[in-house]
Amino acid sequence: RKEVEQDPGPFNVPEGATVAFNCTYSNSASQSFFWYRQDCRKEPKLLMSVYSSGNEDGRFTAQLNRASQYISLLIRDSKLSDSATYLCVVNDYKLSFGAGTTVTVRA
Amino acid sequence: EADIYQTPRYLVIGTGKKITLECSQTMGHDKMYWYQQDPGMELHLIHYSYGVNSTEKGDLSSESTVSRIRTEHFPLTLESARPSHTSQYLCASSEDTQYFGPGTRLTVL
Repeated sequence: RKEVEQDPGPFNVPEGATVAFNCTYSNSASQSFFWYRQDCRKEPKLLMSVYSSGNEDGRFTAQLNRASQYISLLIRDSKLSDSATYLCVVNDYKLSFGAGTTVTVRA
Repeated sequence: EADIYQTPRYLVIGTGKKITLECSQTMGHDKMYWYQQDPGMELHLIHYSYGVNSTEKGDLSSESTVSRIRTEHFPLTLESARPSHTSQYLCASSEDTQYFGPGTRLTVL
């Protein structure tokens, strides 16, 4: 079983839609969690950290569910520029990356 | 913006050549990493270091080697490049949050 698993998608959504997806992790002792964004042929860039209480950054909301061992990312009012692959990252004694969820926002 | 740099950005080279991919960061991070990523595929950790004179192999077996003589510098070397080494190589550094360099796109003919 992989340490971090994501639905690869792709999620194809119209502009203005809300899209949400999850990431599950296997190590219950994991301490910190992140969402990264990776554009095609570019390096991953930190989108946001995920806090236990959940957190919001503009149109992006991240949630952590420790009991079920998953984190989620919700994008509201999606823009064309949100099209990317979103990587889930879990930190136990090392950083483990998910394979990514691809989101495509269409006009 | 993160202060982590990689050179060269693109490299096309013939089989059998020795190559070194450079990575440097000016953030004073102890932890540094090398990942390999093929287009549209997931990241694979090939090497990491938790400080000077510390290097470890990652989850994906690689014929490359690394060294960490200075905190800011973490070069990756391939003694004899082969077409199977064609890929993108991403360097990263971290304290808690990981920051990536722009990557080196390697093509071995």
